Amino acid sequence: EDQVTQSPEALRLQEGESSSLNCSYTVSGLRGLFWYRQDPGKGPEFLFTLYSAGEEKEKERLKATLTKKESFLHITAPKPEDSATYLCAVLFGYGQNFVFGPGTRLSVLP
Amino acid sequence: EAQVTQNPRYLITVTGKKLTVTCSQNMNHEYMSWYRQDPGLGLRQIYYSMNVEVTDKGDVPEGYKVSRKEKRNFPLILESPSPNQTSLYFCASSNKGGIHYGYTFGSGTRLTVV
Repeated sequence: EDQVTQSPEALRLQEGESSSLNCSYTVSGLRGLFWYRQDPGKGPEFLFTLYSAGEEKEKERLKATLTKKESFLHITAPKPEDSATYLCAVLFGYGQNFVFGPGTRLSVLP
Repeated sequence: EAQVTQNPRYLITVTGKKLTVTCSQNMNHEYMSWYRQDPGLGLRQIYYSMNVEVTDKGDVPEGYKVSRKEKRNFPLILESPSPNQTSLYFCASSNKGGIHYGYTFGSGTRLTVV
């Protein structure tokens, strides 16, 4: 079964305390892995697309990496404004079959 | 401003009363999708459209209908809503299937069916 899981479910960090979020997937024919950020009461906001194992993307304090079975979102020296739910999704097969993970709820305390 | 607009933001309805949630985008995007988001289950794709008059089922299409008669609009229709369709719904659009720049999501429609 095509599946996307994320861990941890929730993470609390002190401001400046770096950490990583994990996204594991089991799909055939991966065409892309995506990271989104979702703030309470809002729709998800696109962050990165990763296409193949070994690829890395960076944006401010965020860095996403991809292996054949999982992706990591590294957060370096986070700030309170980085608090949000981070979602990963995979696009696979033909058409627009997206599967989202359940998300990691990140809280960064000042 | 480039955006995806959903209406209404909040809706409470009764079982069996047909309803439509509208979605419109002003970015000339070809691809549009509908998702529902439920606690513990995440975002699940209902339907998607790759162009005008081209639609296909996502993971959870039962009980929903869509149409794509114009490029900018992609309404979600619930012919006979049931309580298990109570959820937070998101419409999204993208260029080139969201591969390079992802999907742009609307602000959501919170639907309650009693």
